[in-house]
Amino acid sequence: KNEVEQSPQNLTAQEGEFITINCSYSVGISALHWLQQHPGGGIVSLFMLSSGKKKHGRLIATINIQEKHSSLHITASHPRDSAVYICAVLLNNDMRFGAGTRLTVKP
Amino acid sequence: GAVVSQHPSWVICKSGTSVKIECRSLDFQATTMFWYRQFPKQSLMLMATSNEGSKATYEQGVEKDKFLINHASLTLSTLTVTSAHPEDSSFYICSASPGGAEAFFGQGTRLTVV
Repeated sequence: KNEVEQSPQNLTAQEGEFITINCSYSVGISALHWLQQHPGGGIVSLFMLSSGKKKHGRLIATINIQEKHSSLHITASHPRDSAVYICAVLLNNDMRFGAGTRLTVKP
Repeated sequence: GAVVSQHPSWVICKSGTSVKIECRSLDFQATTMFWYRQFPKQSLMLMATSNEGSKATYEQGVEKDKFLINHASLTLSTLTVTSAHPEDSSFYICSASPGGAEAFFGQGTRLTVV
């Protein structure tokens, strides 16, 4: 079983929709990262969380340490949000990745 | 936020040659750097972890003689793919950590071996 599970694997939305991507992990962690990978492969770090909630523009990330679960939300989604979103957890200097969620936002 | 610069962003090389990829932390000292590999439509896989001034720790199945990692300073780590073959074609990504839970990612390098 993968230590980091993401859902859904693929997600298609219409422009303007509210989007939620989920990440569950099975081990105690130091921090959780949300990454965005563009079609060309380049990676952008969106958030690093160890507790609570963070917001940056239209992106919101939450984490529940007790339930070992994190969510990434995108409000008012836009076609330029189309990318693969990856959840990664850091445990004792060791980072493990989810399989990613491929998001396609249609105009 | 902190910036990690990875260079080159893409490279094409002939089979049998070696390729060096650089990962630099531009505005912080990276005590630990990580190297990852990503095959098409798959997630990132950790290849090795390197701490400044010491030998890298390789994940199981990663050939240390083929993927040479050097972390000679607190701001620079290099990954050299030696005697590259077409099956080494992949997307390679580094991340750098100043310590604790923080980690910052390079943009990645797409290697194509022909």
